Formats: sequence, C-alpha cells, structure tokens
Amino acid sequence: SYELTQPPSVSVSPGQTARITCSGDALPNQYAYWYQQKPGQAPVLVIYKDNERPSGIPERFSGSNSGTTVTLTISGVQAEDEADYYCQSADTSGTYVVFGGGTKLTVL
Amino acid sequence: QLQLQESGPGLVKPSETLSLTCSVSGGSISSSIYSWAWIRQPPGKGLEWIGTIFYSGTTHYNPSLKTRVTVSVETSKKQFSLNLSSVTAADTAVYYCARHVTGGEFQLLNFDYWGQGTLVTVSS
Repeated sequence: SYELTQPPSVSVSPGQTARITCSGDALPNQYAYWYQQKPGQAPVLVIYKDNERPSGIPERFSGSNSGTTVTLTISGVQAEDEADYYCQSADTSGTYVVFGGGTKLTVL
Repeated sequence: QLQLQESGPGLVKPSETLSLTCSVSGGSISSSIYSWAWIRQPPGKGLEWIGTIFYSGTTHYNPSLKTRVTVSVETSKKQFSLNLSSVTAADTAVYYCARHVTGGEFQLLNFDYWGQGTLVTVSS
C-alpha cells in the first residue's frame, strides 16, 4: 500500500516560519494537497495542486514540491495557525487516495 | 454555498452494518468534475479515505476496506450513502462526507467541501 510520511510535530515561535514536509514515492507524478484541522472541526483545504492557495486562505500559507517531498510553509506564524496539518495525494493509479499521518503544529 | 450534512446512528453493535447518509445542498450532485467521498478519523488519530462515488455510479474504495464498503448515490434526493459491514471497535470514528474534486473517473484530486462529521461508536 502507498504511504505519505509526515513528522509528528513541529514547533515554532510566533512570527517565525514553519515548514512541514510530506514524503511519498508518487509525489513526482501526483499533486499534493494540504489541510488544516483544528480540534473538533472538519479539515480545511489550505493548499491544492502542490502550491495553489484557495480563496480566503492567507498568503502566509504556501506549498512547494521537490520530487518525492512536498513542503507546506507558513511564514510569520500566528497563534491561530496552531492545528494539525495533513498532506493528501494519490498513488500512481490516481484512484487510491492517501493522507499523511498528520503533523501537530505548536506555536510556542 | 455548498453544504454537506451527515446523518445516521451514533451507536452500532459489533458485527452489524454501519449506515450513514450525506445530504448535499446549495449545489448540484450531478457533475463530471466532482464526485462524493467518505473519510473517517478515529478518536485522536489521523484521516483515512474510505471511498468515492461519481454520479454515474463509478466507485473507488480504499483497498483496506474494500471488502466491507459500499458507497451509493441517489441523485434525485441529492444524497449519497455509506454502508460498512461487519464492524468492530476499530471502526469507531468521526465519519465525514466530502465533495471530491476529480480530473475524470480515474484521477482523484482533493476534497474541497466537508460535512461537520458524525461520531459513530461501535459497542455492544
């Protein structure tokens, strides 16, 4: 089965830059997506197609793809960004959807 | 604004079938670029895709659940449903329905609209 690997946790101070990585063998050929999930809430899409930002998502959220690793970058982190972040993609067939295990972002 | 709402029993007995329905409002359920999905999240754990259905009836399932899962759609009612058979305590989770953006029936992309989720507990 296909897997996406994320670090379990990332910690940053307010105003700093947070980077969350996601690794998977099919990422050179499949888009990656990022979701933010706060406690008790449904996930919210923050990045689609590797580096596109949906309407309403702050510009401090950005995404990049460097082969088998994609990265979510949050510049100038704010307290409200503290949440779990999940990457999502598909395997090479395009019909098996996978989420990464999630990364808890702590704002110190 | 598209809205999705899950409904169904919050408690299911072991070995029985979990059945949930998702009602879609504020938009069409019949589209060639959108499909409809179920995702679950066990308490304190990560997200797991269960399956996706197109309005045509084409389905794609998570291989780890494929033998127990059926997703169906009723376009006239603007609803789609999940049946998960032979449940155990490991199936206890918050179940979300979502709209699944696609690039065709063999290219599943991202989830752009989600329901609020419903907790289903498997217990006798």
